[in-house]
Amino acid sequence: DIVMTQSPDSLAVSLGERATINCKSSQSILYVSSNKNYLAWYQQKPGQPPELLIYWASTRESGVPDRFSGSGSGTNFTLTISSLQAEDVAVYYCQQYYDIPLTFGGGTKVEIK
Amino acid sequence: QVRLVESGGGVVQPGGSLRISCAASGFSFSGYGMYWVRQAPGKGLEWVAHIRFDGSKQYYADSVKGRFTISRDNSKNTLYLQMDSLRAEDTALYYCAKDPFYHGDYLYYMDVWGKGTTVTVSS
Repeated sequence: DIVMTQSPDSLAVSLGERATINCKSSQSILYVSSNKNYLAWYQQKPGQPPELLIYWASTRESGVPDRFSGSGSGTNFTLTISSLQAEDVAVYYCQQYYDIPLTFGGGTKVEIK
Repeated sequence: QVRLVESGGGVVQPGGSLRISCAASGFSFSGYGMYWVRQAPGKGLEWVAHIRFDGSKQYYADSVKGRFTISRDNSKNTLYLQMDSLRAEDTALYYCAKDPFYHGDYLYYMDVWGKGTTVTVSS
């Protein structure tokens, strides 16, 4: 199984500041023939289901604010919130879909400092 | 709009069975693969199962293989998860979710999620 490891487990960021979340896969999730990284990011606000933010590691889902961006390739990926807003308080998860079983990272809780 | 509504959760004794459902609306259900994903209390997300858009192929996490069965009725726009031989560690909020690609040929990410139904396995 591909193990997804997120860091940090939690972080507190001031409003308007940048938040950076890391996700590392235990093996490459870059499909060479298509040059696509099989990685998605989700946001889960308290008491709500997850919502898709990013897929193919860097493609923003329709309707997602452009302060959210994804980057990285191979085994190392980053979700960046460029200017944290109050409504961004949530747990963020990465997920690989390169191989079965589909696996998620353990989550990163983002709070306001 | 696209909507997924889970139902059928409840309290069941260890070793018991339960079937949960997911009613889909707002999209062509028969054209999309579907997922079940669960979240134990206070824990992260765990993929459980996937079924191809036409029901011809199913995939399972090792933790549920041989005990859970995913199925769908495209005439009723409904996804199911039959859970047998339930264990305490199956206690979780179960979400159904939709595949992003029409007639997708593999497993991908989940672009729409329901609100979930709670399954509690306890004596």
